[in-house]
Amino acid sequence: GAVVSQHPSRVICKSGTSVKIECRSLDFQATTMFWYRQFPKQSLMLMATSNEGSKATYEQGVEKDKFLINHASLTLSTLTVTSAHPEDSSFYICSASYPVGYSGRGYEQYFGPGTRLTVT
Amino acid sequence: AQSVSQHNHHVILSEAASLELGCNYSYGGTVNLFWYVQYPGQHLQLLLKYFSGDPLVKGIKGFEAEFIKSKFSFNLRKPSVQWSDTAEYFCAVTVNTGGFKTIFGAGTRLFVKA
Repeated sequence: GAVVSQHPSRVICKSGTSVKIECRSLDFQATTMFWYRQFPKQSLMLMATSNEGSKATYEQGVEKDKFLINHASLTLSTLTVTSAHPEDSSFYICSASYPVGYSGRGYEQYFGPGTRLTVT
Repeated sequence: AQSVSQHNHHVILSEAASLELGCNYSYGGTVNLFWYVQYPGQHLQLLLKYFSGDPLVKGIKGFEAEFIKSKFSFNLRKPSVQWSDTAEYFCAVTVNTGGFKTIFGAGTRLFVKA
């Protein structure tokens, strides 16, 4: 159980175009999904927290107009990189979470396989 | 600001050697603690987690970790590593600062020589 998929796994696009990445929880409903960015040989950097039916919460330094997040259902969140530039090339990872115990205890995350974005 | 430190960036061990990877965090409140593993070409997988209770946590594949609250640490251990343990290991801490957020350490790349 607890499988999270991402599509596409790899995408190459030209500078100035937009790219949409999908994140799906396949066998559970995730009220919250997270989007991370991972630079080569570095850790995961949280970009935004996405709650179903509401606006995403972006981390400091992440441009919300550039990285559009939509969480329209309990099993799907999308990240759109708008007007992509070469510096946006990276590995983008999503995770889907469900709460542990009562709501004040936190959550467990299950990660997607990631999407390698290359902007030329 | 909250942070997670992993002391070893690269570790090389021979098979059957014992492993300990350090993880320290900076946050004074209640935390949930995790270790994830990322095998080459694969996605992050949960090794073990701590929410409450016994501070010695056992995970999959013979790994365990101990939460020492006074030291803000959650070190990962395995008594005898195998070649198949070659991977990158991430420590992560979930904090509640008006909403839950997970912070990852920089990762430790482990290479086990056969």
